[in-house]
Amino acid sequence: AAGVIQSPRHLIKEKRETATLKCYPIPRHDTVYWYQQGPGQDPQFLISFYEKMQSDKGSIPDRFSAQQFSDYHSELNMSSLELGDSALYFCASSSQIPGELFFGEGSRLTVL
Amino acid sequence: GQQVMQIPQYQHVQEGEDFTTYCNSSTTLSNIQWYKQRPGGHPVFLIQLVKSGEVKKQKRLTFQFGEAKKNSSLHITATQTTDVGTYFCSQGDTGYALNFGKGTSLLVTP
Repeated sequence: AAGVIQSPRHLIKEKRETATLKCYPIPRHDTVYWYQQGPGQDPQFLISFYEKMQSDKGSIPDRFSAQQFSDYHSELNMSSLELGDSALYFCASSSQIPGELFFGEGSRLTVL
Repeated sequence: GQQVMQIPQYQHVQEGEDFTTYCNSSTTLSNIQWYKQRPGGHPVFLIQLVKSGEVKKQKRLTFQFGEAKKNSSLHITATQTTDVGTYFCSQGDTGYALNFGKGTSLLVTP
């Protein structure tokens, strides 16, 4: 069965650089979520999109932005990277069943 | 969504022992979900509870939703090494994203 695809899986950046993460949701899933998980932490919700419109916003820094495209894939853009942005970034998608999110393998961002 | 609190933070058991993690809220929850995340892996959906007093079972796992819908528990009978991971409860209002608890990390030694 198709799963949520995230790329890249690993990314190393310097401080103040920019990074873009991509997410391809499960086909026919209409909602995409972005979560950030620091080491030993719980996933922190950043932002979500329903049918290409932003549907909910969490603790996403102003330096970050995201969008969902016509093919339903989503991108998370991070600028002016800081050391504290180093984390696992998960994308998840869901269909009409509330509460059941399907997570991708994650993109590990390291900021040096 | 409401904030949910999980206890314990860590649990170390011998294989074959039982394990329980608890999720609590100060306010009434509309629903609660449980996810498992293996070390180095991603969260995987286990179950969702919606009804007051609801009990659901998945093989050795038993999930409960309190009568007042303010707490939930996940109980694993006779743990196995494959149960190792972090168990998160989460909550989200319809149409909104899920808020996760801090999780309970389970270590099972043979």
